[in-house]
Amino acid sequence: QKEVEQNSGPLSVPEGAIASLNCTYSDRGSQSFFWYRQYSGKSPELIMFIYSNGDKEDGRFTAQLNKASQYVSLLIRDSQPSDSATYLCAVIWMDSSYKLIFGSGTRLLVRP
Amino acid sequence: GAVVSQHPSRVICKSGTSVKIECRSLDFQATTMFWYRQFPKQSLMLMATSNEGSKATYEQGVEKDKFLINHASLTLSTLTVTSAHPEDSSFYICSARDRELDTQYFGPGTRLTVL
Repeated sequence: QKEVEQNSGPLSVPEGAIASLNCTYSDRGSQSFFWYRQYSGKSPELIMFIYSNGDKEDGRFTAQLNKASQYVSLLIRDSQPSDSATYLCAVIWMDSSYKLIFGSGTRLLVRP
Repeated sequence: GAVVSQHPSRVICKSGTSVKIECRSLDFQATTMFWYRQFPKQSLMLMATSNEGSKATYEQGVEKDKFLINHASLTLSTLTVTSAHPEDSSFYICSARDRELDTQYFGPGTRLTVL
């Protein structure tokens, strides 16, 4: 069964803090991992993708991937109130076809 | 990033009518497009995968005769909700796969309300 698991939250952090969002997945064969941000009533917006084990940094965002543990995370440094949104982890499944499977999302609240 | 447009952004219709939603990739060719549905406070659920020039692949539980998908060109896919009912009211979001970058970009979504 294909599963992407996320804690639904809400995760509440003060402005300026580091927000840490976590995701686990069940398919050991998965190679591509994505983080999307979704504001209420809007469609998802791609933040980052990561394919290799380790860290990938882009501005205030760092994605971390550990394939052995089937774990991917997103760190947001210097969190801002505008970062308050739902963050969706997504994994590409390559069985009989290409599919992007989403976790249920973690709601992040950044307190001013 | 790549741009995917969706039209209309919002539609209200009477029960029993059909509604067509268009999804276009504006600056890349998308051989594969996807249609998702999202109910309030829930995650995106993949409905079907649309491949240019061939039949769509539907996920389990999605009625192919009710949700008609056409992918006539490398930049356009359409979803038609036939004989819509109130329970079909939802946020429908398309996405297009950029094969070069192996990423998916989402359209802005269409909010469908069936009265």
